[in-house]
Formats: sequence, structure tokens, C-alpha cells
Amino acid sequence: DSQMTQSPSSLSASVGDRVTITCRTSQSISNYLNWYQQKPGKAPKLLIYAASSLQSGVPSRFSGSGSGTDFTLTISSLQPEDFATYYCQQSYSTPLTFGGGTKVEIK
Amino acid sequence: QLQLQESGPGLVKPSETLSLTCTVSGGSISSSSHHWGWIRQPPGKGLEWIGSIYYSGITYYNPSLKSRVTISVDTSKNQFSLKLSSVTAADTAVYYCARAGDYGILTAYNPLRDYYYYGMDVWGQGTTVTVSS
Repeated sequence: DSQMTQSPSSLSASVGDRVTITCRTSQSISNYLNWYQQKPGKAPKLLIYAASSLQSGVPSRFSGSGSGTDFTLTISSLQPEDFATYYCQQSYSTPLTFGGGTKVEIK
Repeated sequence: QLQLQESGPGLVKPSETLSLTCTVSGGSISSSSHHWGWIRQPPGKGLEWIGSIYYSGITYYNPSLKSRVTISVDTSKNQFSLKLSSVTAADTAVYYCARAGDYGILTAYNPLRDYYYYGMDVWGQGTTVTVSS
């Protein structure tokens, strides 16, 4: 299985901050990496697919980068509605696997 | 607008079989461009992929659950289903169904990675299943 390691597991930030979340995989997955946002009691929402492609309807303050084993999700200017948990997910090989999540909290 | 809706019992006894159905509305499950999957999330924990099915019936399962999981599709009802046998308390979770793929996939029977390359873009709201006697 391709192990996914997200960091940090949680962070505190203020509105307007630039936030970066990283995801590292145990084996190279090219750009088969997706990012999701999940709010309490809600289903995950696709933000970024193929490492850097912005899903339709997602604000442009979200961006993704990376390939191989190291990936990054960046929120350029954190908004109140962005406080949530973020997950990376590899789609290169089965079983499909998710990172452990990064909870973004209000400072 | 495509929507997914999970349904099934919220309480299952240990050693019994969990059965859930995902109903697809606003679109066809028989799309050659998409795969249909199940994902679960234990209380307070992360996401786990259970498995996925193509409208033709081709399935992929997580090896950690493979011996207990069956995913099937009913194109006449626009539904796909999950059965998980011999459940224990560890199977208590919110269960989601989701779609993966892209209308740009024009050929049928691509490798699974071709569908999930585009991520899971439509999710059901999730249904909570508790395993308890």
C-alpha cells in the first residue's frame, strides 16, 4: 500500500494567513494526488485533483503542487469558511489511500 | 445536477451483514466515464476507501476488507450497493458513496487510476452505521 503522511496534523491560523499543508507518499505516485476539505458532519469536498488542477467552483486561493512523493496544498489567504480538516488521497494504485488529515483551526 | 444518497439500517448486530445502497439521481450510473465507490470514516478518525465498481460490474476492493466486502450495481435502478459481512464494533462508521471520473474519459474499461485521477467529485451525505448488540 502507498502510505500517506500528512503534516502537520493540526495547525492554528488567523484569517488572511497563508497556510501550507504537506503530503508525502511512501512511493512515487506521479501526480495522482487529490485534496479534499471536510467540515464537521459533512462529506468531503474535492478541492484539487491531479496534484494541481483546481476543481470547478473551488476558490482560486486554493492551490496544489508537487509530483512523485511530495505534495503541497496552499491556501493563499485563509478565509473563515476554510476552517476544516483537509485530506490528501492517492489514486495511483489500489488500495486508494488517504492521509491522516490536517485540522485547520482558528487562532 | 448529479446527487448520491445512501440508505440502509443505522444499527447492525455484531457478526451480521451490513447492507447499504447508494441511489444516483440526476444522471446515469451507466456512464462509461465514471466509477462508483464506497468510503467510510470511523468516529473521530480519517477516511478509508472500501471499494469501487464500474457499471459493467467490474469491482476493486481494499485488500484489508476484501474477504468481507461485496459491491454490486443495479443499472435498472440506478443504484449500487455495499455488503460487509461479519461486522464488529470496528466497522462502526459513517459510510459515504462517491463518484470518480471525468466525462473526458471516452473509452470504456480504463484502469481504475484513470477514473480516480480526477478525484471523487460527487459524494453522498453519508450514513452512520453503528455495530452493537
